[in-house]
Amino acid sequence: EAEVAQSPRYKITEKSQAVAFWCDPISGHATLYWYRQILGQGPELLVQFQDESVVDDSQLPKDRFSAERLKGVDSTLKIQPAELGDSAMYLCASSGGTSPDGDTQYFGPGTRLTVL
Amino acid sequence: AQSVTQPDIHITVSEGASLELRCNYSYGATPYLFWYVQSPGQGLQLLLKYFSGDTLVQGIKGFEAEFKRSQSSFNLRKPSVHWSDAAEYFCAVYAGNNRKLIWGLGTSLAVNP
Repeated sequence: EAEVAQSPRYKITEKSQAVAFWCDPISGHATLYWYRQILGQGPELLVQFQDESVVDDSQLPKDRFSAERLKGVDSTLKIQPAELGDSAMYLCASSGGTSPDGDTQYFGPGTRLTVL
Repeated sequence: AQSVTQPDIHITVSEGASLELRCNYSYGATPYLFWYVQSPGQGLQLLLKYFSGDTLVQGIKGFEAEFKRSQSSFNLRKPSVHWSDAAEYFCAVYAGNNRKLIWGLGTSLAVNP
Protein backbone atom coordinates (compact mmCIF):
# COMPACT_ATOMS: atom_id res chain seq x y z
CA GLU A 1 0.00 0.00 0.00
CA ALA A 2 1.35 3.42 -0.99
CA GLU A 3 2.29 5.70 1.90
CA VAL A 4 3.41 9.24 2.57
CA ALA A 5 7.03 9.31 3.69
CA GLN A 6 8.46 11.87 6.08
CA SER A 7 11.89 12.42 7.56
CA PRO A 8 13.26 12.79 10.08
CA ARG A 9 10.80 11.23 12.51
CA TYR A 10 12.27 13.15 15.43
CA LYS A 11 14.29 16.34 15.58
CA ILE A 12 15.74 18.12 18.59
CA THR A 13 17.25 21.53 18.03
CA GLU A 14 18.18 24.63 19.94
CA LYS A 15 16.33 27.88 19.47
CA SER A 16 17.68 30.12 16.72
CA GLN A 17 18.89 27.11 14.74
CA ALA A 18 17.53 26.14 11.33
CA VAL A 19 15.56 22.92 10.79
CA ALA A 20 14.15 21.26 7.70
CA PHE A 21 11.57 18.53 7.20
CA TRP A 22 11.08 16.42 4.10
CA CYS A 23 7.95 14.82 2.68
CA ASP A 24 7.41 12.45 -0.22
CA PRO A 25 3.69 12.11 -1.06
CA ILE A 26 1.92 9.11 -2.48
CA SER A 27 2.95 8.70 -6.10
CA GLY A 28 0.67 10.62 -8.44
CA HIS A 29 -0.88 12.81 -5.75
CA ALA A 30 -0.94 16.39 -6.98
CA THR A 31 -1.97 18.04 -3.72
CA LEU A 32 0.38 18.17 -0.76
CA TYR A 33 -0.32 19.63 2.66
CA TRP A 34 1.87 20.57 5.61
CA TYR A 35 0.19 20.70 9.01
CA ARG A 36 1.38 21.63 12.47
CA GLN A 37 -0.13 19.86 15.45
CA ILE A 38 0.48 21.04 18.98
CA LEU A 39 0.12 18.37 21.64
CA GLY A 40 -3.52 17.88 22.57
CA GLN A 41 -4.87 19.83 19.61
CA GLY A 42 -6.05 19.12 16.08
CA PRO A 43 -3.95 19.69 12.97
CA GLU A 44 -3.49 23.25 11.70
CA LEU A 45 -2.88 23.70 8.00
CA LEU A 46 0.33 25.60 7.30
CA VAL A 47 0.61 25.34 3.52
CA GLN A 48 -1.10 23.58 0.64
CA PHE A 49 0.47 22.85 -2.75
CA GLN A 50 -1.21 21.95 -6.02
CA ASP A 51 1.63 20.45 -8.03
CA GLU A 52 4.47 22.96 -7.54
CA SER A 53 2.23 25.94 -6.81
CA VAL A 54 1.22 27.22 -3.40
CA VAL A 55 -2.58 27.24 -3.11
CA ASP A 56 -2.82 28.42 0.49
CA ASP A 57 -0.15 29.59 2.89
CA SER A 58 -2.30 31.99 4.88
CA GLN A 59 -1.38 30.36 8.21
CA LEU A 60 2.32 29.98 7.48
CA PRO A 61 4.49 32.31 9.63
CA LYS A 62 6.40 33.61 6.67
CA ASP A 63 8.99 35.49 8.69
CA ARG A 64 10.53 32.19 9.74
CA PHE A 65 8.84 29.37 7.83
CA SER A 66 9.26 28.49 4.18
CA ALA A 67 8.04 25.62 2.05
CA GLU A 68 8.82 24.47 -1.43
CA ARG A 69 7.82 21.75 -3.86
CA LEU A 70 10.06 22.53 -6.76
CA LYS A 71 9.26 19.65 -9.10
CA GLY A 72 5.74 19.07 -7.88
CA VAL A 73 6.66 15.84 -6.14
CA ASP A 74 8.46 15.91 -2.80
CA SER A 75 8.48 18.91 -0.52
CA THR A 76 10.59 20.58 2.15
CA LEU A 77 9.41 22.69 5.07
CA LYS A 78 12.02 24.88 6.72
CA ILE A 79 12.08 26.89 9.92
CA GLN A 80 14.75 29.51 10.49
CA PRO A 81 15.27 30.49 13.20
CA ALA A 82 13.43 27.98 15.35
CA GLU A 83 11.67 29.26 18.46
CA LEU A 84 10.54 27.45 21.58
CA GLY A 85 6.92 27.75 20.48
CA ASP A 86 7.64 25.78 17.33
CA SER A 87 7.83 22.54 19.30
CA ALA A 88 5.09 20.41 17.75
CA MET A 89 4.34 17.53 15.41
CA TYR A 90 4.70 18.45 11.75
CA LEU A 91 2.49 16.34 9.52
CA CYS A 92 2.52 15.96 5.77
CA ALA A 93 -0.48 14.71 3.82
CA SER A 94 -1.32 14.20 0.18
CA SER A 95 -4.39 13.74 -1.96
CA GLY A 96 -5.00 13.18 -5.64
CA GLY A 97 -7.31 11.97 -8.33
CA THR A 98 -10.87 12.79 -9.16
CA SER A 99 -13.37 13.96 -6.59
CA PRO A 100 -14.64 12.68 -4.23
CA ASP A 101 -12.06 9.96 -3.61
CA GLY A 102 -9.36 12.37 -4.75
CA ASP A 103 -10.23 14.66 -1.85
CA THR A 104 -9.21 12.10 0.76
CA GLN A 105 -6.04 13.12 2.56
CA TYR A 106 -3.47 10.50 3.53
CA PHE A 107 -0.96 11.33 6.21
CA GLY A 108 2.64 10.47 6.85
CA PRO A 109 4.03 9.45 10.26
CA GLY A 110 4.99 13.03 11.15
CA THR A 111 8.12 14.72 12.45
CA ARG A 112 8.21 15.48 16.16
CA LEU A 113 10.16 18.72 16.68
CA THR A 114 11.51 19.73 20.07
CA VAL A 115 13.11 23.15 20.40
CA LEU A 116 15.31 23.64 23.47
CA ALA B 1 -18.86 29.06 8.16
CA GLN B 2 -18.04 25.40 8.19
CA SER B 3 -17.25 23.86 11.56
CA VAL B 4 -16.90 20.52 13.27
CA THR B 5 -17.73 19.85 16.91
CA GLN B 6 -16.65 16.84 18.89
CA PRO B 7 -18.48 17.32 22.19
CA ASP B 8 -16.49 14.78 24.19
CA ILE B 9 -12.91 15.75 24.93
CA HIS B 10 -12.13 12.53 26.75
CA ILE B 11 -13.92 9.17 27.00
CA THR B 12 -13.01 6.10 29.02
CA VAL B 13 -14.53 2.70 28.27
CA SER B 14 -13.85 -0.83 29.43
CA GLU B 15 -12.36 -3.33 27.06
CA GLY B 16 -15.12 -5.22 25.31
CA ALA B 17 -17.67 -2.46 25.78
CA SER B 18 -19.32 -0.64 22.91
CA LEU B 19 -18.16 2.80 21.83
CA GLU B 20 -19.77 5.82 20.24
CA LEU B 21 -17.84 9.01 19.52
CA ARG B 22 -19.90 12.02 18.55
CA CYS B 23 -19.30 14.44 15.72
CA ASN B 24 -21.51 17.31 14.61
CA TYR B 25 -20.81 19.49 11.62
CA SER B 26 -21.97 22.73 10.11
CA TYR B 27 -21.88 22.85 6.33
CA GLY B 28 -24.29 24.22 3.77
CA ALA B 29 -24.12 21.48 1.18
CA THR B 30 -23.81 17.72 1.29
CA PRO B 31 -20.59 17.19 3.18
CA TYR B 32 -17.72 14.86 2.70
CA LEU B 33 -16.97 13.50 6.18
CA PHE B 34 -13.97 11.69 7.60
CA TRP B 35 -12.82 10.01 10.78
CA TYR B 36 -9.10 9.71 11.51
CA VAL B 37 -7.30 8.01 14.39
CA GLN B 38 -3.97 9.03 15.88
CA SER B 39 -1.95 6.86 18.23
CA PRO B 40 0.53 8.67 20.51
CA GLY B 41 3.46 10.09 18.55
CA GLN B 42 2.08 8.86 15.24
CA GLY B 43 0.49 10.35 12.16
CA LEU B 44 -3.21 10.33 11.34
CA GLN B 45 -4.73 7.17 9.92
CA LEU B 46 -7.95 7.26 7.92
CA LEU B 47 -10.63 5.12 9.55
CA LEU B 48 -13.51 5.78 7.18
CA LYS B 49 -15.14 8.37 4.97
CA TYR B 50 -18.58 9.33 3.70
CA PHE B 51 -19.31 10.98 0.40
CA SER B 52 -22.82 9.92 -0.57
CA GLY B 53 -25.13 6.94 -0.75
CA ASP B 54 -25.56 4.48 2.08
CA THR B 55 -25.50 6.47 5.30
CA LEU B 56 -23.85 3.67 7.28
CA VAL B 57 -20.22 3.33 6.28
CA GLN B 58 -17.79 0.66 7.31
CA GLY B 59 -14.16 1.37 8.03
CA ILE B 60 -11.01 -0.34 9.13
CA LYS B 61 -10.42 -1.96 12.53
CA GLY B 62 -14.11 -2.79 12.97
CA PHE B 63 -15.31 0.82 13.07
CA GLU B 64 -18.44 2.16 11.42
CA ALA B 65 -20.08 5.56 11.24
CA GLU B 66 -23.57 6.75 10.45
CA PHE B 67 -24.36 9.96 8.59
CA LYS B 68 -27.56 11.63 9.79
CA ARG B 69 -28.39 14.69 7.75
CA SER B 70 -31.29 15.74 9.97
CA GLN B 71 -28.99 15.87 12.98
CA SER B 72 -25.88 17.09 11.13
CA SER B 73 -24.01 14.23 12.75
CA PHE B 74 -21.49 11.61 11.77
CA ASN B 75 -20.95 9.48 14.87
CA LEU B 76 -18.30 6.78 15.03
CA ARG B 77 -19.14 3.42 16.57
CA LYS B 78 -17.51 0.15 17.45
CA PRO B 79 -19.39 -2.77 19.04
CA SER B 80 -16.50 -4.07 21.14
CA VAL B 81 -13.47 -1.98 22.01
CA HIS B 82 -9.97 -3.43 22.23
CA TRP B 83 -7.15 -2.02 24.36
CA SER B 84 -5.30 -1.12 21.16
CA ASP B 85 -8.10 1.31 20.25
CA ALA B 86 -6.85 3.77 22.87
CA ALA B 87 -5.93 6.82 20.81
CA GLU B 88 -7.07 10.27 19.71
CA TYR B 89 -9.96 10.37 17.25
CA PHE B 90 -10.58 13.28 14.89
CA CYS B 91 -13.65 14.06 12.83
CA ALA B 92 -13.24 16.29 9.76
CA VAL B 93 -15.41 17.77 7.04
CA TYR B 94 -14.18 18.61 3.57
CA ALA B 95 -14.80 22.28 2.93
CA GLY B 96 -15.52 22.19 -0.78
CA ASN B 97 -13.82 24.21 -3.46
CA ASN B 98 -10.77 25.23 -1.43
CA ARG B 99 -9.90 21.56 -0.88
CA LYS B 100 -9.39 22.00 2.86
CA LEU B 101 -10.38 19.83 5.77
CA ILE B 102 -12.08 21.45 8.75
CA TRP B 103 -11.11 19.55 11.88
CA GLY B 104 -12.75 18.86 15.18
CA LEU B 105 -10.67 19.21 18.32
CA GLY B 106 -10.51 15.47 18.83
CA THR B 107 -11.71 12.94 21.39
CA SER B 108 -9.18 11.10 23.49
CA LEU B 109 -10.18 7.49 24.12
CA ALA B 110 -8.84 5.52 27.07
CA VAL B 111 -9.59 1.80 27.43
CA ASN B 112 -9.65 0.11 30.83
CA PRO B 113 -8.61 -3.54 30.97
